[in-house]
Amino acid sequence: ETGVTQTPRHLVMGMTNKKSLKCEQHLGHNAMYWYKQSAKKPLELMFVYSLEERVENNSVPSRFSPECPNSSHLFLHLHTLQPEDSALYLCASSQDPGINTDTQYFGPGTRLTVL
Amino acid sequence: AQSVTQLGSHVSVSEGALVLLRCNYSSSVPPYLFWYVQYPNQGLQLLLKYTTGATLVKGINGFEAEFKKSETSFHLTKPSAHMSDAAEYFCAVSLSGGYNKLIFGAGTRLAVHP
Repeated sequence: ETGVTQTPRHLVMGMTNKKSLKCEQHLGHNAMYWYKQSAKKPLELMFVYSLEERVENNSVPSRFSPECPNSSHLFLHLHTLQPEDSALYLCASSQDPGINTDTQYFGPGTRLTVL
Repeated sequence: AQSVTQLGSHVSVSEGALVLLRCNYSSSVPPYLFWYVQYPNQGLQLLLKYTTGATLVKGINGFEAEFKKSETSFHLTKPSAHMSDAAEYFCAVSLSGGYNKLIFGAGTRLAVHP
């Protein structure tokens, strides 16, 4: 595997379910990100992790709970979601979150549908 | 607050024609500027970026963009469109200081017809 991978690629869940999205980067990077891509809104940054420490939470509701057990893995735990949370969730990584010129490398995303 | 505006949510060109995708930003300080491309069912891929130095930036697949500070613009161009260029294109900015946070425009979907 190379680059940034995400599983599952598609997920359908009810509003009372609990599920998790997984992201793995094989680039040796120190920073990982979660973005939300909705149909009618620009990509929104949700969370930033630097060396497993959350350094940015962009006013995301608590029904989204990120976890970064090591610098290669990032999870997004979901519970009691709303239909408006249906979106494409993209994971990205970069070498150093403190370098604003760093390229972010994106995974293919998880298409989430909340019924 | 900084923002990114992409004029035209949909652009259609003929194969072989010039591609011009517009991006304007609002920022009190010159930002770092990026163009990403997203093909169907894929994540975003960097096309090119401007950080400092030469204002005309060349990227992959024959694309280039010019940073014009006076116009707060970073338009993306390609002299001759190819069918494989059909995708969605996103302009993004990042400011110095703080963490590497990308602020994206709404995207422009490019269609290329024969």
